[in-house]
Amino acid sequence: AQSVAQPEDQVNVAEGNPLTVKCTYSVSGNPYLFWYVQYPNRGLQFLLKYITGDNLVKGSYGFEAEFNKSQTSFHLKKPSALVSDSALYFCAVRDIADYKLSFGAGTTVTVRA
Amino acid sequence: SAVISQKPSRDICQRGTSLTIQCQVDSQVTMMFWYRQQPGQSLTLIATANQGSEATYESGFVIDKFPISRPNLTFSTLTVSNMSPEDSSIYLCSVAGRGNTIYFGEGSWLTVV
Repeated sequence: AQSVAQPEDQVNVAEGNPLTVKCTYSVSGNPYLFWYVQYPNRGLQFLLKYITGDNLVKGSYGFEAEFNKSQTSFHLKKPSALVSDSALYFCAVRDIADYKLSFGAGTTVTVRA
Repeated sequence: SAVISQKPSRDICQRGTSLTIQCQVDSQVTMMFWYRQQPGQSLTLIATANQGSEATYESGFVIDKFPISRPNLTFSTLTVSNMSPEDSSIYLCSVAGRGNTIYFGEGSWLTVV
């Protein structure tokens, strides 16, 4: 079985400050990890993924995430948040042998001007 | 990335009726998936739809309620049958694209009254 935990329902930051959205996972084999963003009244947009290789992955809109196998974490980060980053963020995991994604509960990010 | 179009984007439906959601992809893909996002909730996989075979449903979802078609490598439909207010959700089509990435459509927002 696989699962994802996003411990924070909400994250509030000021524009220009660093943004971190936390994610921990559980999977029986090697994980494929993903971050998606959902803007109001929109579908899910792919941000970035970890498949293999460098533990620090870079994605769209200046976001990056660090894969930490020992802590089973895949936290999403952005050095300088923008008001336009305000959205709902989902972390997801799948086992390399299966294409089914398991999603976290989501974290609402609010960036204040 | 794959471009995924869903129709309808939104609909208000009467209870007891059925609605078919269409998903069109701009490239041939082997694996397509249907997810449900209930209000304020995360995403839950309904079924996996591979061309040439019966859809595989997740626990809690049955073919009589959510029949799926997959006539070719670029198209799929999901029908929500005999709808009740509890079926009010966003239904999202997704595909397994290149590089093990799962892409999502914009979703079909259904309200059952």
